[in-house]
Amino acid sequence: AQTVTQSQPEMSVQEAETVTLSCTYDTSESNYYLFWYKQPPSRQMILVIRQEAYKQQNATENRFSVNFQKAAKSFSLKISDSQLGDTAMYFCAFMKLNQGGKLIFGQGTELSVKP
Amino acid sequence: DGGITQSPKYLFRKEGQNVTLSCEQNLNHDAMYWYRQDPGQGLRLIYYSQIVNDFQKGDIAEGYSVSREKKESFPLTVTSAQKNPTAFYLCASSIGRGRYMNTEAFFGQGTRLTVV
Repeated sequence: AQTVTQSQPEMSVQEAETVTLSCTYDTSESNYYLFWYKQPPSRQMILVIRQEAYKQQNATENRFSVNFQKAAKSFSLKISDSQLGDTAMYFCAFMKLNQGGKLIFGQGTELSVKP
Repeated sequence: DGGITQSPKYLFRKEGQNVTLSCEQNLNHDAMYWYRQDPGQGLRLIYYSQIVNDFQKGDIAEGYSVSREKKESFPLTVTSAQKNPTAFYLCASSIGRGRYMNTEAFFGQGTRLTVV
């Protein structure tokens, strides 16, 4: 069975600074997908970024980038130039190949961006 | 606008009662999912459906039931057999077919269920 672990329940960062959220996972699959979702106070789950395991290149979406280390089974999220609107719960999620939407989530990291 | 609509936003249930949570999508997605969110535990899969008139149990299906009579709708019933139903419930959908099998899931805004 797959598991996803986020070891940082809470983090805070000053506005405009950079913060990195950690995620590790366990799987015997060789091909899979990894996601970071954001859940702001409205509780709407919003996709931040996705990574296909077969791709060596780390995914990037504007201020958000990942550090994907397949051998170490690590998938961290870096947020650059943090903004107040980045304040949210962040979830790391794992998906097996051809299992679209069947996600295994980590426990979440609550990020506070301070002015 | 396309999206996923969950209703109601807040729901109160007396112990021993069944209650049904609504989820409707107009994204033309084949696959739909129900997740439960508890504090400190992330989201866990309750049930999912990849096609009309078919659905499968997720990791925590006990005490829940679903139906999928229409592509657009995937209601979740929380039965009296669910011992601890107070939680936040999220519905999601994904394209779920062909070359788009691995596209991401889109989520509704959730329903907060409280047992009183």
